[in-house]
Amino acid sequence: NAGVTQTPKFQVLKTGQSMTLQCAQDMNHEYMSWYRQDPGMGLRLIHYSVGAGITDQGEVPNGYNVSRSTTEDFPLRLLSAAPSQTSVYFCASSKGLAVYEQYFGPGTRLTVT
Amino acid sequence: GESVGLHLPTLSVQEGDNSIINCAYSNSASDYFIWYKQESGKGPQFIIDIRSNMDKRQGQRVTVLLNKTVKHLSLQIAATQPGDSAVYFCAEKGNTGGFKTIFGAGTRLFVKA
Repeated sequence: NAGVTQTPKFQVLKTGQSMTLQCAQDMNHEYMSWYRQDPGMGLRLIHYSVGAGITDQGEVPNGYNVSRSTTEDFPLRLLSAAPSQTSVYFCASSKGLAVYEQYFGPGTRLTVT
Repeated sequence: GESVGLHLPTLSVQEGDNSIINCAYSNSASDYFIWYKQESGKGPQFIIDIRSNMDKRQGQRVTVLLNKTVKHLSLQIAATQPGDSAVYFCAEKGNTGGFKTIFGAGTRLFVKA
């Protein structure tokens, strides 16, 4: 199994541009989530999904959209990038309702200028 | 509101010594706690977890202690090795709010050879 994969690894955007961060897992996990990690801070939950077709907001959802059309994929869309969105983004998955151990992807380092 | 924090931002230990990383949490309703290890340039990796009905749990070279009276969590690493150098996060899941995991800011562990 490849586990949780994320693309791209690095991205530079100009303010106002939009883009999609890709996340995929091949473990048939129901639960997937997106976090951002800023220097000196822990991971903060952006959005999460408990299954295909179901998404919900986390702690810092503003400026981001998600969708979950398949079990495997959970893309994160930045609608109009802002410098405040410069961060490292991690996607994670776990088996489901009763299993909380999350498997994280390698991260996407995003810089917005 | 809910918060998970760490007492020390950095910890430096000699190879072979034991390491203790501490964590305080404020949500007394939290029923599940997790320690993650994050190496440079990688996503967090699950180390060990503990439920609120336990005081102690042991893994391979790691032990997690939970003191619910003072809302304190610690991770003990025995015979610390250079490969243990990383940032360690504690995280909690409350028994409300679904799958929202709250991460602390992290402690960086340096292992001196």
